[in-house]
Amino acid sequence: EILMTQSPATLSVSPGERATLSCRASQSVSSNLAWYQQKPGQGPRLLIYDASTRATGIPPRFSGSGSGTEFTLTISSLQSEDFAVYYCQQYKNWPPSTFGHGTKVDIK
Amino acid sequence: EVQLLESGGGLVQPGGSLRLSCAASGFTFSNSAMSWVRQAPGKGLEWVSGISPGGGDTPYADSVKGRFTISRDNSQNILYLQMNSLRVEDTAVYYCARKTSGAAPFDDWGQGTLVTVSS
Repeated sequence: EILMTQSPATLSVSPGERATLSCRASQSVSSNLAWYQQKPGQGPRLLIYDASTRATGIPPRFSGSGSGTEFTLTISSLQSEDFAVYYCQQYKNWPPSTFGHGTKVDIK
Repeated sequence: EVQLLESGGGLVQPGGSLRLSCAASGFTFSNSAMSWVRQAPGKGLEWVSGISPGGGDTPYADSVKGRFTISRDNSQNILYLQMNSLRVEDTAVYYCARKTSGAAPFDDWGQGTLVTVSS
């Protein structure tokens, strides 16, 4: 099973600032990496797939990069609606599909 | 618009059973692989089980293998999860999720249904 490690656990950012979230895989997942956003009381929403492709309707301030074992999600200018928990997920070696433990982005 | 609506959650005693349902609409259900993913209170996401479009392939997480059974009714557009021999550690919000194939991200998620296992 591939282990996914996210850092930091919590990121405090001011509105309008840039946020950079990291995700590391215990072995290569090529570009089979997705990012999800989850707000309280809601199911997750797909943001990025194949490491860098934005899902339908996702604004361009969200971008993903990386391949192999190191990945980054960048939110270029945080809006109020972006404060949430973000999860990465690998789907190269499935089953099981494995998730990171999440990064909470909160208001500084 | 894709909609996934879970139901069937509730309070059950350890050792008990529960069946979850997920009603799907807004897409061709019979062409989509489906999964159940759970989230324990205050914790992260854990994939539980998946099922291929035709229902012939049904992998499970080791934590639920032998206790949970996933199934689908493509004529009614419903996904199921039969949960037997429930444990306290199965307490979680259970989400159904859709994807286009086995090795793919989850494109759409439901709002979840809460399962509480407690005496």
